[in-house]
Amino acid sequence: DGGITQSPKYLFRKEGQNVTLSCEQNLNHDAMYWYRQDPGQGLRLIYYSQIVNDFQKGDIAEGYSVSREKKESFPLTVTSAQKNPTAFYLCASSIASGGGNEQFFGPGTRLTVL
Amino acid sequence: GDSVTQMEGPVTLSEEAFLTINCTYTATGYPSLFWYVQYPGEGLQLLLKATKADDKGSNKGFEATYRKETTSFHLEKGSVQVSDSAVYFCALLNAGKSTFGDGTTLTVKP
Repeated sequence: DGGITQSPKYLFRKEGQNVTLSCEQNLNHDAMYWYRQDPGQGLRLIYYSQIVNDFQKGDIAEGYSVSREKKESFPLTVTSAQKNPTAFYLCASSIASGGGNEQFFGPGTRLTVL
Repeated sequence: GDSVTQMEGPVTLSEEAFLTINCTYTATGYPSLFWYVQYPGEGLQLLLKATKADDKGSNKGFEATYRKETTSFHLEKGSVQVSDSAVYFCALLNAGKSTFGDGTTLTVKP
């Protein structure tokens, strides 16, 4: 089955630790995205990548880092510099970043900082 | 920058009632517009989309028309069901970057 997978579904982290969230897609999509969702709020764009080996900062990139070494993978690292990392993180992909192409979302990872 | 404004929720309706969720946007150029739906604890799923002015997107009884003159993309359904209870997000895609509204929670009671 084609789709996007995120792992783990739930993640707990101690303050001061870096943590990496996984996002994999087998849809052969060029573009991938990371969003943060806080309770009762919409999605805020963290980083996006339109093609392998290239990515751009979104609206709230501070305290996060990404890599795009393979087309199917777009891991997100939440660093200790992120002041309030507890949130629901969603990964998405699309065929290309423009032209009205809808995004396909993974099931999300809920990160809790203890 | 681009922005999307949705009507505030939560919205509570009885089964078979008419639904409207307002969405307006601000963007340069010619964005594509989308409605996504999110069920508890899950990611978002595309509900419908429109890529140019006057296009109407439709799916599962939901409709929305891309109105450039009023910069709006209101979501409508003639008769809601309990299973339509979810959070609905309006979004735009412009020059490769997406912007989402804050979401509107819909609860449909039997």
